[in-house]
Amino acid sequence: DIQMTQSPSSLSASVGDRVTITCQASQDISNYLNWYQQKPGKAPKLLIYDASNLETGVPSRFSGSGSGTDFTFTISSLQPEDIATYYCQQYDNLPGMYTFGQGTKLEIK
Amino acid sequence: QLQLQESGPGLVKPSETLSLTCTVSGGSISSSSYYWGWIRQPPGKGLEWIGSIYYSGSTYYNPSLKSRVTISVDTSKNQFSLKLSSVTAADTAVYYCARPSDFWSGFKHWGQGTLVTVSS
Repeated sequence: DIQMTQSPSSLSASVGDRVTITCQASQDISNYLNWYQQKPGKAPKLLIYDASNLETGVPSRFSGSGSGTDFTFTISSLQPEDIATYYCQQYDNLPGMYTFGQGTKLEIK
Repeated sequence: QLQLQESGPGLVKPSETLSLTCTVSGGSISSSSYYWGWIRQPPGKGLEWIGSIYYSGSTYYNPSLKSRVTISVDTSKNQFSLKLSSVTAADTAVYYCARPSDFWSGFKHWGQGTLVTVSS
């Protein structure tokens, strides 16, 4: 099974800061990597799909990059409404398996 | 607009079977090519994919839960269901149903989630 290692597990930053979260796969997953935002008491929201594609309606301050085993999620200028937990998720290119990272809890400093 | 709604008992006794249903509105399970999924989240913890089902009944399960999970679909009711047997306190979680944005991809559409507590 593919393991996803997400870091850091928590992060404190100031409004306007550039924030970066990383996710590493235990084997090559090409670009089959998504990023979600989850606010307390809410369902996750898909922000980035296939490593670098922004979902419709998602602000452009969010971005993703990477391929193979190493991936990065970036918020270019942190806003108060971005406070949430963020998860990476890999999926098999054919139906089979999804695996989530452990999550990164983002707080305002 | 596609909507998903989980329903089922909020309290299940240890060793019994957890049963949940996801009702889909704003779209037909049988007329669209997606693998519909179940995901859970224990209180204060991360997300875990449980399994997914196609309208034809084809299923894929998380290997860690496979021996206890059954996912089924009822196209006439536009619903799909989850059964998890022999539950323990470790199965206490918010259970979500979801639909990917494409055939097999990231989950774009989610239900609001339902908390199931396993306790005697």
